[in-house]
Amino acid sequence: GEDVEQSLFLSVREGDSSVINCTYTDSSSTYLYWYKQEPGAGLQLLTYIFSNMDMKQDQRLTVLLNKKDKHLSLRIADTQTGDSAIYFCAERGGNTGGFKTIFGAGTRLFVKA
Amino acid sequence: NAGVTQTPKFQVLKTGQSMTLQCAQDMNHNSMYWYRQDPGMGLRLIYYSASEGTTDKGEVPNGYNVSRLNKREFSLRLESAAPSQTSVYFCASSQGGDGYTFGSGTRLTVV
Repeated sequence: GEDVEQSLFLSVREGDSSVINCTYTDSSSTYLYWYKQEPGAGLQLLTYIFSNMDMKQDQRLTVLLNKKDKHLSLRIADTQTGDSAIYFCAERGGNTGGFKTIFGAGTRLFVKA
Repeated sequence: NAGVTQTPKFQVLKTGQSMTLQCAQDMNHNSMYWYRQDPGMGLRLIYYSASEGTTDKGEVPNGYNVSRLNKREFSLRLESAAPSQTSVYFCASSQGGDGYTFGSGTRLTVV
């Protein structure tokens, strides 16, 4: 079946940029998402990109999509301690029935003061 | 602006007991989902309902049943709880490709 993979941990210093990477296998993906989960809470949609886009910027967040390599990244500029959380990459595409979303295992971001 | 509401937030069950997890959304979304989250395994889809009146199995449906009661409500039932069902359960809803709205989760322990 389709799969989404992410590294499990990332540690950065406050004020630096964070880059979280993700790869996926579904060549027919239509939407790709980044979600944030804080301790004890549900997932919150941060941003998403259509598969026909290369980049999307939203304040401190920049999403880059390399469709050829099936690689998605999330860059957080000027990372703050409040950005410490688990970040999930997810994709939705034709091969998953058109409305099911496949999630990665999540990348835990540690921000050191 | 409640979004997706799940009840209960915490539950402890004995092996073999049954319970129903409730989920309601107030965004008029067509699709609803139940996921479980286990450490290191991300989210795994248990059941989903693409629209009112339909339900389908996801990746890990064994031991669970669901009911799409109406457009707002989608419940998950454990008929005979097992320790392997200890997990955090999330309900979500969506409309089109705009991403999911998640509830805050139910933390279930089966002893």
